[in-house]
Amino acid sequence: EAAVTQSPRSKVAVTGGKVTLSCHQTNNHDYMYWYRQDTGHGLRLIHYSYVADSTEKGDIPDGYKASRPSQENFSLILELASLSQTAVYFCASGTGVNYAEQFFGPGTRLTVL
Amino acid sequence: GDSVTQTEGLVTLTKGLPVMLNCTYQTTYSPFLFWYVQHLNEAPKLLLKSSTDNKRTEHQGFYATLHKSSSSFHLQKSSVQLSDSALYFCALSTSGGNYKPTFGKGTSLVVHP
Repeated sequence: EAAVTQSPRSKVAVTGGKVTLSCHQTNNHDYMYWYRQDTGHGLRLIHYSYVADSTEKGDIPDGYKASRPSQENFSLILELASLSQTAVYFCASGTGVNYAEQFFGPGTRLTVL
Repeated sequence: GDSVTQTEGLVTLTKGLPVMLNCTYQTTYSPFLFWYVQHLNEAPKLLLKSSTDNKRTEHQGFYATLHKSSSSFHLQKSSVQLSDSALYFCALSTSGGNYKPTFGKGTSLVVHP
């Protein structure tokens, strides 16, 4: 079954540490996205990619890097985690002109202490 | 640039009443509109989609009609249930080809007994 998976599902990190969130999709979709969601709020786009080995900045890219080594995998990297990056992070995939028709992973709950 | 506006942040209703959640958009390209539902501690899931003007689309008791003349795609249900309590997002993709979806800020629907 086509799916988007994320690892880890939850993580506690220390301020200033490096955090890597991973996403894997079996949808055979070209486009992948990383969103952040703060409690009770909307989705904010961090980075996205429409082809392997290329990434684009979204609306809130500061403090985050992204890597797309293959069509299936998309990582989000926090080089120096900060308290303000505590949130739930969702990965999603999409395709075609209906790229806003997205299939979301289960999310990663990140707590930075 | 493209934009999506959801005017209500919170809608509170009694079970059995009808609901309409507003969504308007702006784009200079051909639009594709989506509604997502996100229950507590879950990932967003696609609820409805449309790119056809003036055609009603339905799923799980919810329905919406894309009206290009008014740039609207309002979500409706004739009788809400307790299980409809969730966060609802309207989203837009276009034929513009930038692969970057536009999400509204979301409307929280709370249904009381």
